[in-house]
Amino acid sequence: AQSVTQPDIHITVSEGASLELRCNYSYGATPYLFWYVQSPGQGLQLLLKYFSGDTLVQGIKGFEAEFKRSQSSFNLRKPSVHWSDAAEYFCAVIYMDSNYQLIWGAGTKLIIKP
Amino acid sequence: DSGVTQTPKHLITATGQRVTLRCSPRSGDLSVYWYQQSLDQGLQFLIQYYNGEERAKGNILERFSAQQFPDLHSELNLSSLELGDSALYFCASSERDRGTSPLHFGNGTRLTVT
Repeated sequence: AQSVTQPDIHITVSEGASLELRCNYSYGATPYLFWYVQSPGQGLQLLLKYFSGDTLVQGIKGFEAEFKRSQSSFNLRKPSVHWSDAAEYFCAVIYMDSNYQLIWGAGTKLIIKP
Repeated sequence: DSGVTQTPKHLITATGQRVTLRCSPRSGDLSVYWYQQSLDQGLQFLIQYYNGEERAKGNILERFSAQQFPDLHSELNLSSLELGDSALYFCASSERDRGTSPLHFGNGTRLTVT
């Protein structure tokens, strides 16, 4: 079945440390890939997306993600996190034969230690 | 500010009752999505409308219904409410009918069923 896996429910990092959030998709063909962020008390906001081309994509708020076909992964990274990055991060995927509907991961909650 | 307006912000009601949640999409967006977010189920896609027509259906219960009006605002009707319907309900809008078009989320309506 088509799915998206975010293996980490929670991640805690210190302010200023680097961050990597994992996302794996299940299908064979390259899907469209997205990362959204949900700050406390708010709706989700698109951070970045990958459709094709350069496998390293830059997003807003200093985030980037790298598509790795061999690993079926689209991990989100940030070199140095700020306290304001504390939020829940969702990976989402559109598979070509899914009527262009988003399939969402379960989310990873990022906790920042001062 | 995403430009998507959801009302009310909070709703408390009793089991068996019926409620209506309202969403005004971002100016120019033709597509409206409804999502349910709860701690145990995560983010669940309910239904999508595009320019007044139902476009896709997700895990929407038969007790729930939605519509999109000619002015493009949308309403989600929840009836015969159960305790398990307590959740955060999000509306999102996008320009096109495909999920490849970025979704803009409102801040949600928190529904509590007592």
